[in-house]
Amino acid sequence: AQSVTQLGSHVSVSEGALVLLRCNYSSSVPPYLFWYVQYPNQGLQLLLKYTSAATLVKGINGFEAEFKKSETSFHLTKPSAHMSDAAEYFCAVSDRDKIIFGKGTRLHILP
Amino acid sequence: GAGVSQSPSNKVTEKGKDVELRCDPISGHTALYWYRQRLGQGLEFLIYFQGNSAPDKSGLPSDRFSAERTGESVSTLTIQRTQQEDSAVYLCASSLYTYEQYFGPGTRLTVT
Repeated sequence: AQSVTQLGSHVSVSEGALVLLRCNYSSSVPPYLFWYVQYPNQGLQLLLKYTSAATLVKGINGFEAEFKKSETSFHLTKPSAHMSDAAEYFCAVSDRDKIIFGKGTRLHILP
Repeated sequence: GAGVSQSPSNKVTEKGKDVELRCDPISGHTALYWYRQRLGQGLEFLIYFQGNSAPDKSGLPSDRFSAERTGESVSTLTIQRTQQEDSAVYLCASSLYTYEQYFGPGTRLTVT
């Protein structure tokens, strides 16, 4: 069975600081991994995805994530936070049968 | 092309009434998911359709909830005898097999 754990339901960073949102997964097969973002009062949109190609994946808005099989992690990073990055971020894993979402991390940007 | 659409966008209903929520997936997408998102909470999986396979109903919270899908097309989520705790945003997503999901804008359900 697959599962996703997002460490920290809330993360606060200062504007201009590094953003790091943590995601660990378990899967019995090589996974597909995704990060989604949900801005206030909006639906979810795909930030980036890993589908067994390059382990470092670049997404929209300057975000990237690195697939580390040895650590079963897929952490999301951005070098410099912007106020507009304030949103809820969801990590998800697919084993080709079903997609499972983490509980989400709300990112707060401090001025 | 058109994305996932959901209707209505907002629904206010009285406790005890039945409601139907509709989802139109992206054409050709074989998989369709329903989620519930309560205020300030994450995604709660409800039900999953994949092609002609039997749906995965493991997330439905009670027998008041049911969903149908016509082939690989429209899906309807029905909530019978609504309760105040059913108030939430109901999100639909579709995908081609189990690649990335494309989400609709959601239906905000308020039970008074």
